[in-house]
Amino acid sequence: AAGVIQSPRHLIKEKRETATLKCYPIPRHDTVYWYQQGPGQDPQFLISFYEKMQSDKGSIPDRFSAQQFSDYHSELNMSSLELGDSALYFCASSLGAGQGSNYGYTFGSGTRLTVV
Amino acid sequence: DAKTTQPNSMESNEEEPVHLPCNHSTISGTDYIHWYRQLPSQGPEYVIHGLTSNVNNRMASLAIAEDRKSSTLILHRATLRDAAVYYCILRGYGGSQGNLIFGKGTKLSVKP
Repeated sequence: AAGVIQSPRHLIKEKRETATLKCYPIPRHDTVYWYQQGPGQDPQFLISFYEKMQSDKGSIPDRFSAQQFSDYHSELNMSSLELGDSALYFCASSLGAGQGSNYGYTFGSGTRLTVV
Repeated sequence: DAKTTQPNSMESNEEEPVHLPCNHSTISGTDYIHWYRQLPSQGPEYVIHGLTSNVNNRMASLAIAEDRKSSTLILHRATLRDAAVYYCILRGYGGSQGNLIFGKGTKLSVKP
């Protein structure tokens, strides 16, 4: 079965550079979520999209932005990178939760970003 | 926001059952109880979810208290591959209530 695909798997950037992470959700999933997980930390919710519209924002820095495209893939753009941005970034997809329905998330394998 | 409380860590022996508890005393009537696990250096993995009735799937069973203020994830025969951090999360309807917000999970160690 198709899973959530994230690219690249690893990324090394220097401080103040920009990075773009990509996420391809499971076909027919209409909701995409981004999470950041620092070393030894639990995953932190950054932002989500439902049907190509931003649906919620979590602890996403202003230097980061994201969007969901017409083919439902999503990109997380990160600018002015800082050492503290080094983390695993996970994308997940699901069907949106609605009254009378609730679905599990499927997570990708993540992108490991290292800022040097 | 509804919150969950889990023990920081638990130990189990291989091939024995494991019962992972979760308290969620402020759960609302529309919150589903989700369980995920995360193996080292991997993305979280969906395990099971339920609303009111107990649920079974190929990975685990979910026992939900009658008042829904607590639940227990049951791994029937632990294997070494089950060593992971297990997260109990409440998921509501729509908008921000539909997001999964991870708290502190339970780190399960499995001894051979």
